[in-house]
Amino acid sequence: AQSVTQLGSHVSVSEGALVLLRCNYSSSVPPYLFWYVQYPNQGLQLLLKYTSAATLVKGINGFEAEFKKSETSFHLTKPSAHMSDAAEYFCAVSGSSGYSTLTFGKGTMLLVSP
Amino acid sequence: NAGVTQTPKFRVLKTGQSMTLLCAQDMNHEYMYWYRQDPGMGLRLIHYSVGEGTTAKGEVPDGYNVSRLKKQNFLLGLESAAPSQTSVYFCASRRASSVYEQYFGPGTRLTVT
Repeated sequence: AQSVTQLGSHVSVSEGALVLLRCNYSSSVPPYLFWYVQYPNQGLQLLLKYTSAATLVKGINGFEAEFKKSETSFHLTKPSAHMSDAAEYFCAVSGSSGYSTLTFGKGTMLLVSP
Repeated sequence: NAGVTQTPKFRVLKTGQSMTLLCAQDMNHEYMYWYRQDPGMGLRLIHYSVGEGTTAKGEVPDGYNVSRLKKQNFLLGLESAAPSQTSVYFCASRRASSVYEQYFGPGTRLTVT
């Protein structure tokens, strides 16, 4: 069984400020972890993924996330927010076997103000 | 290379009507998925398929049926639509050899009145 908890349904930051979106997971097997981004009226796009290699993962658009097994966390960060980062972000977990399915968190809406 | 496409983009149904949503992918992916997205609920898996002719239930399968007669297509059917099925439906696909990335379609917004 696997689950994801995203803390905060909405996060507001100013342009240029640090972005921190929190994700905690639960998994009975070694997890693969993902962050997806959804812009308004669009599908989901993969930002980055952790697949048991380096614990600090870099993704697109300057985002990165760190896998911390002891804290069962996979928080998403970006040093400096841009207006174009405003979107909804989803954390997801899967197992590592071929048939594994993705379980998504409920999402965090990132609001960026000028 | 269109990726994952979904038809239709929007649909309004009356309670009790039926419809089929079509998902098509041109990446030769083995695995395909149907999700629904509701406000504050994230994405929930309805059904999925690991190959032509095979389907499996996800987290919220009730009220839906699926078929995968061709590798590139995955159909989601609603036999008797209910207002609780008002949602945005997303299809996704991925290679069997990679657990990593699912590729998502643009979504179908369905309203059941």
